[in-house]
Amino acid sequence: DARVTQTPRHKVTEMGQEVTMRCQPILGHNTVFWYRQTMMQGLELLAYFRNRAPLDDSGMPKDRFSAEMPDATLATLKIQPSEPRDSAVYFCASSGLYGYTFGSGTRLTVV
Amino acid sequence: GQNIDQPTEMTATEGAIVQINCTYQTSGFNGLFWYQQHAGEAPTFLSYNVLDGLEEKGRFSSFLSRSKGYSYLLLKELQMKDSASYLCAVPSGGYNKLIFGAGTRLAVHP
Repeated sequence: DARVTQTPRHKVTEMGQEVTMRCQPILGHNTVFWYRQTMMQGLELLAYFRNRAPLDDSGMPKDRFSAEMPDATLATLKIQPSEPRDSAVYFCASSGLYGYTFGSGTRLTVV
Repeated sequence: GQNIDQPTEMTATEGAIVQINCTYQTSGFNGLFWYQQHAGEAPTFLSYNVLDGLEEKGRFSSFLSRSKGYSYLLLKELQMKDSASYLCAVPSGGYNKLIFGAGTRLAVHP
C-alpha cells in the first residue's frame, strides 16, 4: 500500500528553535504539497512543488518558513525561528495521476 | 479566487441518513473532492466528482451540480465510526493545488 511518510510524528520545541519536518512522497508522484491545519484556520496550503520545482509558496510566512525538495524522495519544511503561533499539524500530500494522498502529519507544539 | 462553504457541525443518529452540503466558487472548475478526517488523523479520500450527477460508493454517495456550484455528500446507514470531519475541496490553478473548505464535523449518536 503506497503511502506518504512524514517525520517526526510529534515535535515539542521551545520558541526560537529551528524545526525541520520531512516528507517522503509516494514514488512516482510528481506534485508535493505542504499544508498546515489548526482549529481556527482549517487546512491551509503553505507551498507546493511539481517535479521538485517550487511552484507556489505564497501561503507561507517567508521570513521564517522555507520549503525545499532536494530530491524526488524528500521534501522538507523548515521553521526558523519557531514561534508559539506555529503550533499546528503540518501535513504533506503528494499527487499523481489518480489523486492526492496525505501523510500522517507532524504535530508541532512550540512552547 | 476560491470560496468554499460547508456547515460547521452536524449531528445525526446511528442508522440514519445525513447530507453534508458544500457550495463553492472557483475560477475554472476541475472537479470536486470529498475527504474524511478522523480526529488526530490525516484526511483520506472519499470521492471525486467532475461531471454532474450522483456517484454512489457503498454507503457514501456524492452529488455535483456544476451550474449551481454545489455538491453534497450523502452518508447512509450511519455508524458510530462515521463520526469525523468531512472536507470539501476543489483543485485550483494551473497545477491543481487542492483548496479545502473548513470542514463539517459530524457527530453520530446512538
